[in-house]
Amino acid sequence: DAKTTQPTSMDCAEGRAANLPCNHSTISGNEYVYWYRQIHSQGPQYIIHGLKNNETNEMASLIITEDRKSSTLILPHATLRDTAVYYCIVRVNNAGNMLTFGGGTRLMVKP
Amino acid sequence: DSGVTQTPKHLITATGQRVTLRCSPRSGDLSVYWYQQSLDQGLQFLIQYYNGEERAKGNILERFSAQQFPDLHSELNLSSLELGDSALYFCASSEQLQNSPLHFGNGTRLTVT
Repeated sequence: DAKTTQPTSMDCAEGRAANLPCNHSTISGNEYVYWYRQIHSQGPQYIIHGLKNNETNEMASLIITEDRKSSTLILPHATLRDTAVYYCIVRVNNAGNMLTFGGGTRLMVKP
Repeated sequence: DSGVTQTPKHLITATGQRVTLRCSPRSGDLSVYWYQQSLDQGLQFLIQYYNGEERAKGNILERFSAQQFPDLHSELNLSSLELGDSALYFCASSEQLQNSPLHFGNGTRLTVT
């Protein structure tokens, strides 16, 4: 899997948009970008994924740059319950198709 | 609720013992993945099964083994337990091999004393 680089931690004010960046400069053409989050030792929760087009669902938006070397996860109106570790993962379509987790970004949403 | 069920939620055992962790995937999911998360390490992929067959292996110790049964539930067996095996063990499932998100259970917390 292509390596990803994320800031170790970020703060966000409650009610504001949280923009979490991720660099994946060595991404290949068939590799998808996935975002997960983990809230305090619970199981990782799937948020969103995309290949090259921007994606939006009920949880978040994913913006992927045209060269696909970076992406941003946007939580439009962060709440205290969004405090978690957010993982950006680049996933290749290989036989195993597993996800390889890095260190992630610890997002703290503050009142 | 991801739909993935793991039992037990907590397990405390002694060094040298053997334990079995159980995972029921989401209905219809054929792939099951096992991950380990220790305090000093991130989420580490252990092993994957697809429709009963081993599909991929990660950093799984020889003392650990897994299987997926015909009803698609999976078990992770940990033997000759050591203090360092204390960790959260997560199971995940997905619909198909390619480009389907993994959905994780809430894990089994294993404490080896």
